[in-house]
Amino acid sequence: IVLTQSPGTMSLSPGERAALSCRASQRVSGAALAWYQQRPGQAPRLLISMASNRATDIPDRFSGSGSGADFTLTIGGLESEDSAVYYCQYYDMSVGLIFGGGTRVEI
Amino acid sequence: QVELVESGGGVVQPGRSLRLSCTASGFNLSFYGMHWVRQAPGKGLEWVAVIGVDESHKNYGDSVKGRFTVSRDKPSNTLFLQLNSLTVEDTATYYCAREKGLFVDYWGQGALVTVSS
Repeated sequence: IVLTQSPGTMSLSPGERAALSCRASQRVSGAALAWYQQRPGQAPRLLISMASNRATDIPDRFSGSGSGADFTLTIGGLESEDSAVYYCQYYDMSVGLIFGGGTRVEI
Repeated sequence: QVELVESGGGVVQPGRSLRLSCTASGFNLSFYGMHWVRQAPGKGLEWVAVIGVDESHKNYGDSVKGRFTVSRDKPSNTLFLQLNSLTVEDTATYYCAREKGLFVDYWGQGALVTVSS
């Protein structure tokens, strides 16, 4: 399974909405699809698990959706602190964690 | 609270070995699957290894299979990654991360490994 994220980079203004795509090379279980945020110089942080469940302390402007092979992370009302690289991840128990190439969001 | 702290990174020559440690606090590491994930400078995330709750379950990424070994020590609540036969392509920040179901919920701050002659 390969995860393809698009776009590679997006430049937006504060208050705008961002839609980040994660497309799998075949249908996958949404239960094993997660999203992470990595700010510059920091470790990744869990945002969304099971395709649409927000992690603890994650603002509600972050939401996840999708099924099958197409998943989306939506950030509504962008803030400057949302400048980061966002990764989707699928857990294939026979292979391990599979990460997409990331989408850089510049505010 | 849950915390993961990696140590043991540094500069090492090609062909040499290094052992990374990840000390956990706030939870019992033995009750969770634990992963190592690395990130080469300016690149994306690459999964390296996992050790399951059942320690007989270990799995490795293709690029490190046969060279890296994951293990843990219960008394010290520490996860290890033994890196052997290092190459310049292994230069990266190595993160340990706690598994929660089908994702990872906590990450350490990372340990930088630089392989250079």
